Amino acid sequence: EAQVTQNPRYLITVTGKKLTVTCSQNMNHEYMSWYRQDPGLGLRQIYYSMNVEVTDKGDVPEGYKVSRKEKRNFPLILESPSPNQTSLYFCASSLHRSPGAPLHFGNGTRLTVT
Amino acid sequence: AQKVTQAQTEISVVEKEDVTLDCVYETRDTTYYLFWYKQPPSGELVFLIRRNSFDEQNEISGRYSWNFQKSTSSFNFTITASQVVDSAVYFCALRLTQGGSEKLVFGKGMKLTVNP
Repeated sequence: EAQVTQNPRYLITVTGKKLTVTCSQNMNHEYMSWYRQDPGLGLRQIYYSMNVEVTDKGDVPEGYKVSRKEKRNFPLILESPSPNQTSLYFCASSLHRSPGAPLHFGNGTRLTVT
Repeated sequence: AQKVTQAQTEISVVEKEDVTLDCVYETRDTTYYLFWYKQPPSGELVFLIRRNSFDEQNEISGRYSWNFQKSTSSFNFTITASQVVDSAVYFCALRLTQGGSEKLVFGKGMKLTVNP
């Protein structure tokens, strides 16, 4: 089954403790992206990747890191999480060669930083 | 700057009513794509429809229809004879390709509640 898999679904952590949210897709998509969803703000793009070893900042990259060493994986790293990063995070992928291709989203990761 | 505005934040209707969700976008690009996504209470994001900037044909799919008008930079979504299962948050989004990079800009979403 074609899908985007995020882990974990729920994560509670404390300020300053490094964490990684994993994202993997099995559709051989070139484009992958991370979003955060906050009430009243909709979805905002954190980082995206056009292909392996090619990443770029979205609208709200501060406090986050990403890497794209393999085509299928695009982990989101919070080196020193803070309470303002408490949010619902979505990973998504699509075919780069088709910019009109819809994004396939993971099921989301709800992160709470205390 | 690219922007998507969903002026309505929340709408509540009674089952079988028709409801229209508004979406207005801003971009200077001539080539772009518009999307609608649905987020039901379970939380996942579901793709509904895509339109490119060169295709102004309206579309009907069952109870759903979309009206794309470049002259007013709008891409509105109408649900006919709404049902309780339509209750969700709906997002309009704009996807651009600029100089080799790609951005996807979402509106803030509109929460639709359909009451029985």
